[in-house]
Amino acid sequence: KQEVTQIPAALSVPEGENLVLNCSFTDSAIYNLQWFRQDPGKGLTSLLLIQSSQREQTSGRLNASLDKSSGRSTLYIAASQPGDSATYLCAVSPFSGNQFYFGTGTSLTVIP
Amino acid sequence: NAGVTQTPKFQVLKTGQSMTLQCAQDMNHNSMYWYRQDPGMGLRLIYYSASEGTTDKGEVPNGYNVSRLNKREFSLRLESAAPSQTSVYFCASSGTGHTEAFFGQGTRLTVV
Repeated sequence: KQEVTQIPAALSVPEGENLVLNCSFTDSAIYNLQWFRQDPGKGLTSLLLIQSSQREQTSGRLNASLDKSSGRSTLYIAASQPGDSATYLCAVSPFSGNQFYFGTGTSLTVIP
Repeated sequence: NAGVTQTPKFQVLKTGQSMTLQCAQDMNHNSMYWYRQDPGMGLRLIYYSASEGTTDKGEVPNGYNVSRLNKREFSLRLESAAPSQTSVYFCASSGTGHTEAFFGQGTRLTVV
């Protein structure tokens, strides 16, 4: 079974800092990896989707990379803002089966 | 676009009561999913439907049933609610071929 791990579980940074969130997975046979944002009491909002054939994807201040062979992905957030405070989740979609496996998330707090 | 819509948003049940959680998507997606989210456990798949007329068990199906009523709607039923089913339930949908997943806003269910 695919296991997805996100470290650290919580992160606090001052406004303006660049930061990296980590996601690791145990089975490299994946179709894609998706990063989500979840605000307290809300649903999940898709941020970036990286196909297994891609190395990275960018959207605004966000950049996600994927190293499938080592089972790792990172989400880079540039010039962090208080509005970036949320929980960030990664999910992988395996070749076999038809579901997404989620990590437990990193809770990010950006201090003004 | 509404995306994925879940009803109700909040519900309190007594042990042994039954209820149905409703989910509808307007993105013409083939695949739909029901997840539950518990503190420290991440999101776990309850059931999914790869297409209209098909459903399959996920990681934690016990105590639940589902119906894929048509391409738009996928409902989750608790026949006899138990306190262990207190959780936040999310419905999601995605297109064919492991495409980007979209989530509803969630249903917060408390079983007392």
